[in-house]
Parts: sequence; structure tokens; C-alpha cells
Amino acid sequence: QVQLVQSGAEMKKPGSSVKVSCKASRGTFSSYAVNWVRQAPGQGLEWMGRLIPSLGLANYAQMFQDRVTLTADRSTTTAYMELRSLRSEDTAVYYCTRGEAFDIWGPGTVVAVS
Amino acid sequence: QAVVTQEPSFSVSPGGTVTLSCGLSSGSVSTSHYAGWYQQTPGQAPRTLIYSTNIRSSGVPDRFSGSILGNKAALTITGAQADDEAHYYCVLSMGGDNWVFGGGTKLTVL
Repeated sequence: QVQLVQSGAEMKKPGSSVKVSCKASRGTFSSYAVNWVRQAPGQGLEWMGRLIPSLGLANYAQMFQDRVTLTADRSTTTAYMELRSLRSEDTAVYYCTRGEAFDIWGPGTVVAVS
Repeated sequence: QAVVTQEPSFSVSPGGTVTLSCGLSSGSVSTSHYAGWYQQTPGQAPRTLIYSTNIRSSGVPDRFSGSILGNKAALTITGAQADDEAHYYCVLSMGGDNWVFGGGTKLTVL
């Protein structure tokens, strides 16, 4: 079964940007969408947006619309989430997850902003 | 933006049955919201239980089931076990390829 492999933990300064990657362990994401979900410490899950790598189409949750960009490489084996203008409230675990069913989850990437 | 509501906490006895709900601050949940349910234990990534209201994800035991009950999506766990103790999150599609998670329910098995 496909697994999602995410990039390592990041420590960032306020005002900077972070780019998190998510790679499908076998092959490409095919026609599946890739969703990005974050979880602040002790809090619930928050949907940020999704990208269909094969089409390059992205849509974003309203609260992230101005600060997040979702992309994928040309081979559509790796998806990326870039979050700009970081603030302390962006400290969270960032997950990628596959498809409309959110059926496969990456292990998460810790982003600490301080 | 619509708010997705879940009970903050729930408890169930071992072997018992519990139904968790997922509603909307305004309006009813239907199959058009494609409700999904996810289980999360501390320090772990979420695990998919149910998607599209009632489709069980691969490898999920059949004691987990999803449905629409009244005006809410529901997750029913029958024969609760100690390792079902976790946080449970639902997600709803709000159309336009936008999704919103509920705040989660902490389930205690005791």
C-alpha cells in the first residue's frame, strides 16, 4: 500500500516561511488529491487546503488563502505545502493525507515558530 | 464559515455501544457532506475509520460503522474495547472542494 513520507521537523522565526514535502512511497499520487491538515498542540484537526497534482489545481481554506501555496513536482510524486509570514500560532504538526477519503495519512511534520 | 459540532467527551463501558455525532451549527448533515471519521491516539497520526458517510476504510473492523442519524452524521462503535479510547474527529465536505473538521470527541472506555 502507498505510504506518505513527509519531510523533517522545522524550527522557524516569526515572519519567515516553511515548505513541507509529502512523497508517495510507491509511484505517483495518480489522480488523487493531496490534502493538508494541521494540528496545533493540544488542539483538533484543521483542514488547510488540497491540491490535485495531476491537474495542478488547488483550493484553500479561507483562513489560509493568503499565506499558503500547495504545489507538486512535475512527476507528481511529491507534494509541497508552503506557509508564509509565520507566527507563533502556526506552531503545529502538519499532515498530508490522500484523496477525498483522507484515506492515507503521512506521519506529520512538526513546525515550531519561535 | 459553518461550524462542525461534536460532543467534547463521551464514555463507554467495555463491551458497550456508543454513538458519536457530527452536526452543523446551522442546517442538517446529509450524505452530500461525505462525512469522514478519524481516530487519533496521543502522538500518532489520525487513522481513517469511515469515509463518504458509511464506507469503512481498509482494515477497519466492522464494529465501527457510519450513518446519518436524524440531522447528523454518526459513528457507532459496538463492543467497545480498551484500545478504542482515543480522540475521534469527523470531517464534512462543505462543497466547492472545501472541508471542515469538527472539534473532536474524547472517548473514554471505563
